[in-house]
Amino acid sequence: DVKVTQSSRYLVKRTGEKVFLECVQDMDHENMFWYRQDPGLGLRLIYFSYDVKMKEKGDIPEGYSVSREKKERFSLILESASTNQTSMYLCASPPGGGSYNEQFFGPGTRLTVL
Amino acid sequence: GESVGLHLPTLSVQEGDNSIINCAYSNSASDYFIWYKQESGKGPQFIIDIRSNMDKRQGQRVTVLLNKTVKHLSLQIAATQPGDSAVYFCAENYSGNTPLVFGKGTRLSVIA
Repeated sequence: DVKVTQSSRYLVKRTGEKVFLECVQDMDHENMFWYRQDPGLGLRLIYFSYDVKMKEKGDIPEGYSVSREKKERFSLILESASTNQTSMYLCASPPGGGSYNEQFFGPGTRLTVL
Repeated sequence: GESVGLHLPTLSVQEGDNSIINCAYSNSASDYFIWYKQESGKGPQFIIDIRSNMDKRQGQRVTVLLNKTVKHLSLQIAATQPGDSAVYFCAENYSGNTPLVFGKGTRLSVIA
């Protein structure tokens, strides 16, 4: 059974803190994605990675960075958390073969920035 | 299917009836269209996709219809069950290996 796990289900941080969100997949996939989900706005792509140490900006990369040192792990970093980054963060990974249509999602991390 | 601001469109359906969830997409050049289901407390789950050269595709209890003339996509669920209660997202993919662009979602509530 394919599995995408995220390090925390719920996280509360203070404004200005550096925040790390971790995602691990056990499917040996090349591609991994980070989205944020806000009510009424759907899923918006923050960053994605198509290989180790490779990254591409998505639609809303401002205020975020990422790290992909190992194939199975993709980290999302909030350098200095702000209240407008309070959101649900979802990690996903599509299987190999080139198509991104079918993505396997983790359960999400609900981040609250106070 | 599409929402404005923070409000999520909601569809309420009686158990056993058929559900139709609609979506308007934006890019007439997109090659794939996909539906995802998100149950409460979980990440989205792939349901079905359709390529732009098709106008209908059927899965298990689901049918996706594509109308490229009006850039409209729909998901039909037959004999809706309580387990179908979820938020449904449509997504479009320009070429298959480009990032998905998701719609804002529609909440389906099944009335027992």
